[in-house]
Amino acid sequence: EDQVTQSPEALRLQEGESSSLNCSYTVSGLRGLFWYRQDPGKGPEFLFTLYSAGEEKEKERLKATLTKKESFLHITAPKPEDSATYLCAVQARGADGLTFGKGTHLIIQP
Amino acid sequence: EPEVTQTPSHQVTQMGQEVILRCVPISNHLYFYWYRQILGQKVEFLVSFYNNEISEKSEIFDDQFSVERPDGSNFTLKIRSTKLEDSAMYFCASSIDVAVGGDGYTFGSGTRLTVV
Repeated sequence: EDQVTQSPEALRLQEGESSSLNCSYTVSGLRGLFWYRQDPGKGPEFLFTLYSAGEEKEKERLKATLTKKESFLHITAPKPEDSATYLCAVQARGADGLTFGKGTHLIIQP
Repeated sequence: EPEVTQTPSHQVTQMGQEVILRCVPISNHLYFYWYRQILGQKVEFLVSFYNNEISEKSEIFDDQFSVERPDGSNFTLKIRSTKLEDSAMYFCASSIDVAVGGDGYTFGSGTRLTVV
């Protein structure tokens, strides 16, 4: 059974204070690992897809990295508008559906 | 920017009643999905739909659930006899190609279903 565990569950940072969110996963053949952002009352918003260990992707203040067992979402000099829940999900080869973690609730204080 | 539209945004129903949740996927997308998120829990995959048939379904998607694309634009999820534990946020998503996985996934804003 595919599993995704995210840590920490919640994180409060000061504006400008960089940090990393962790996503540990087990999957029967990885097709892709995905990061989404979810704002309250909204659907997940796509951020990144990573396909193989060693891959990195960046977008503005966010950088996602992937190893064979985990992924990190690094947030550099965050702003209050980066406050959201960040979700990690994996898709197994041959599967349509994504398996999500519970997410990390990130709060950036001005 | 194209978006997935879900209606209604909130629905309250009595236990045992049938509900239909509606979604309008992005027009050139070919794959359609339903996910649900019980309050405080993970987003869970329910079903994928392609070429007018179910492509994959999870263990959650039992006989009380069904999906349909009744016309060229709508995609619906029907729950035949609702239970209290069906209370959740239901998300519709669409993608142009399942092979690219979450790259092409666009989620709607969800329908909050409350069963009383």
